[in-house]
Amino acid sequence: RKEVEQDPGPFNVPEGATVAFNCTYSNSASQSFFWYRQDCRKEPKLLMSVYSSGNEDGRFTAQLNRASQYISLLIRDSKLSDSATYLCVVKNGGATNKLIFGTGTLLAVQP
Amino acid sequence: NAGVTQTPKFQVLKTGQSMTLQCAQDMNHEYMSWYRQDPGMGLRLIHYSVGAGITDQGEVPNGYNVSRSTTEDFPLRLLSAAPSQTSVYFCASSYSGTGNSPLHFGNGTRLTVT
Repeated sequence: RKEVEQDPGPFNVPEGATVAFNCTYSNSASQSFFWYRQDCRKEPKLLMSVYSSGNEDGRFTAQLNRASQYISLLIRDSKLSDSATYLCVVKNGGATNKLIFGTGTLLAVQP
Repeated sequence: NAGVTQTPKFQVLKTGQSMTLQCAQDMNHEYMSWYRQDPGMGLRLIHYSVGAGITDQGEVPNGYNVSRSTTEDFPLRLLSAAPSQTSVYFCASSYSGTGNSPLHFGNGTRLTVT
């Protein structure tokens, strides 16, 4: 079983739609959680951290459910520019900044 | 703002050849790392460093060497290239090796081994 699992998609949604991605992680001791965004043939970039109480950044909302070991990302009012692969990232225990990446969920926003 | 700079962007090697992928950052970051990205596998950590003179193995270190003689540079050496090392390689750095400092990635090196 992979440590971090995501539905690879693709999620094809029209502009203006709301879309949600889930990600599950296997290590109950995982400490920190993130969503990264990766455009086609580009490097990943941090989209947002995920906090225990949930957090919002504009049209993006991230939530964490420790009991069920999953995190989610909700995108409201989708834009064409949101088309990308969204990577779920987990940091397990330990002192170093070693991150474990999911394989990503591909989002394609259609005009 | 240079950030994390990787060279080369593309490289084709023959099996058995060696080469070095260069990575440099100008943000005075303590932590640097190398990942490889393969279809269906996600990014996997090869080696990392929490400061000059300190390196450690990640998830898939075999066939790769690293060194960290300065804070700025973290080259990745392929000792004897194999087709299984065909991949996209990303160098990434963060301010600190601890806590939740975000990773800053380079543009990637697309390596093909024939």
